This record gives sequence, structure tokens and C-alpha cells, in this order.
Amino acid sequence: KQEVTQIPAALSVPEGENLVLNCSFTDSAIYNLQWFRQDPGKGLTSLLLIQSSQREQTSGRLNASLDKSSGRSTLYIAASQPGDSATYLCAVLSGGSNYKLTFGKGTLLTVNP
Amino acid sequence: ETGVTQSPTHLIKTRGQQVTLRCSSQSGHNTVSWYQQALGQGPQFIFQYYREEENGRGNFPPRFSGLQFPNYSSELNVNALELDDSALYLCASSQTPLFSGSSTDTQYFGPGTRLTVL
Repeated sequence: KQEVTQIPAALSVPEGENLVLNCSFTDSAIYNLQWFRQDPGKGLTSLLLIQSSQREQTSGRLNASLDKSSGRSTLYIAASQPGDSATYLCAVLSGGSNYKLTFGKGTLLTVNP
Repeated sequence: ETGVTQSPTHLIKTRGQQVTLRCSSQSGHNTVSWYQQALGQGPQFIFQYYREEENGRGNFPPRFSGLQFPNYSSELNVNALELDDSALYLCASSQTPLFSGSSTDTQYFGPGTRLTVL
């Protein structure tokens, strides 16, 4: 059974700081990994999707890496801004004939002005 | 603006009742997935519909069922509601099913339906 863990559960940083969010998963046989952002009471916004054959993806100030063999992914946010404050979730797609998307519980990020 | 819409926004039901939630996918998307998100938890995958057929399911009992229509909109039906069914229900659409291995696997989420079971 796939399990996804995100560390830390919460993080508070001053504006401008670079930061790293961590995600680990127990079954390395994944199809892809996605990072999402969720604002309070709202739906999810996809940030980055990494296929199992890829090592990293970049979008603006965000960079996500994937080490499938060790079951780890990181989301790097450069020059953080107050507008980056949200919960960040990672999710892995895995499974054989009955694949499914498994989410972590998320990291609550607060960027202070 | 993702283009995925869900209705209703909020809903209150009592134990034992049945509920239907609706989702309109983004234009050009033929795949819809449903998720349950309890307070303080990550979303839990319920199932996915691709071209009107269910082709992936999480660990949810049969009282959770769905439909996808020819225009690719979708419904989630929950029978015999229980208190633990109280959650935010999220719908997501994509151009291709989750397993296709394509960049178009990216899902676009709706704002969700908040269901409260009393």
C-alpha cells in the first residue's frame, strides 16, 4: 500500500527566503508525482508534474526534483513571497491494474512580510 | 481560472440520506476524477472516469458511485450517508487518464463541494 509523507507539517519563513519542502513515498513503482497548492477552503492548483522517467521540473521560482529509487521528492521555492502562503501537497500515481493517486497530508507554508 | 465547476458549493444532509454532487470538466478534457478531503487531511482518491467508464478506484465502499456523461461532465453519488462522509469533495479533470504517461496527465481541480452530514 502506497503511503506518502510530507515534512515538515508546517513551516514559517520570512519573505525572500529560499525553502525546501519534502515528500517521501513507500512504493517506488510510481507513474508520476505531482505537487499541488491549496488555499484555505479551496480546490487544488497543480504546480508541477514529474513523470517517473524525469528527474526534475521547473516553473518560475519553483523547482521539483524526483529520486524514484529512494522514494523522495523535494519542492524548492526561491525568493519566497507572502502570496506563496498556502498548503503544499504532493501526490504520487501508482498501482498495477488498479492505479490510484495517493496524497500526503501537506505542508502548511506561511511567508511573513 | 481552471474552468472546472462543481455544484452545489455547500450541502447539509442527515445520516442515511443520499446525495448527488455534480462536476463540469474543463473544455477538451475527457477524464474526471473525484476526491474526498477530510479536514486537515490530504485528498483521498475515490475513482476516475474516462470516456464514460470507471477505470480506477480507491478504497471506498460501493455506496460511492459515479457517472460520466457524453459531454464528459460527471456525478458522484453517495448512498446511506454516514457522519464520516462529511468532507470537501473535489472533482478534477484532465486531457488524458492519469496513467497515460503524458504531460497532459495534469489535473485541474474545481473549488469543491462542502458536504456536512448531521
